[in-house]
Amino acid sequence: AQSVTQLGSHVSVSEGALVLLRCNYSSSVPPYLFWYVQYPNQGLQLLLKYTSAATLVKGINGFEAEFKKSETSFHLTKPSAHMSDAAEYFCAVSSANQAGTALIFGKGTTLSVSS
Amino acid sequence: EAEVAQSPRYKITEKSQAVAFWCDPISGHATLYWYRQILGQGPELLVQFQDESVVDDSQLPKDRFSAERLKGVDSTLKIQPAELGDSAMYLCASSDRDRGSYEQYFGPGTRLTVT
Repeated sequence: AQSVTQLGSHVSVSEGALVLLRCNYSSSVPPYLFWYVQYPNQGLQLLLKYTSAATLVKGINGFEAEFKKSETSFHLTKPSAHMSDAAEYFCAVSSANQAGTALIFGKGTTLSVSS
Repeated sequence: EAEVAQSPRYKITEKSQAVAFWCDPISGHATLYWYRQILGQGPELLVQFQDESVVDDSQLPKDRFSAERLKGVDSTLKIQPAELGDSAMYLCASSDRDRGSYEQYFGPGTRLTVT
């Protein structure tokens, strides 16, 4: 069965610092992986996705993630944090490697950015 | 840009009352999902539709929850009777599985508070 573990429920960085949000997955099939961002009282917005193409995936707002099969990881990074990056971030894995299957989400990581 | 619409955005109801949420997916998206997100957690699938048919409702508490998508377009999720533990954000998402898309697009959600 597929599952996702996000290490660290809360990450704090200074504006301009590197952002690193950790995600490890467990999957019985080749995984399709996603990062979503959620602002308070809003829905989820897709940041980026990995669907078995390039292992380094670039997303919106300067975020990127690297799929590492040997480490079963899909960590999210951004070189320089901005105040507007403060939000909740969710890593998710597709419940099966077929289009349209439901997503299984981690518990989320809250990113705080200080000036 | 096409979006998933949900209403109401906020709902306060008393325990034992009935509530209903509405979702209009992105036009042309045949796959529709309802997720429940408890505060501090990631979303969890309640029910998935492909057109008007239920694909997965294994996590839907069927004694009090019901969902329908009669014409394969918009959808309604109902809770009757509501319980205190139902307080959560209810998120609707849609995807274009028929085109092989893995991306799910989320609506703004309905925040339910049961008193």
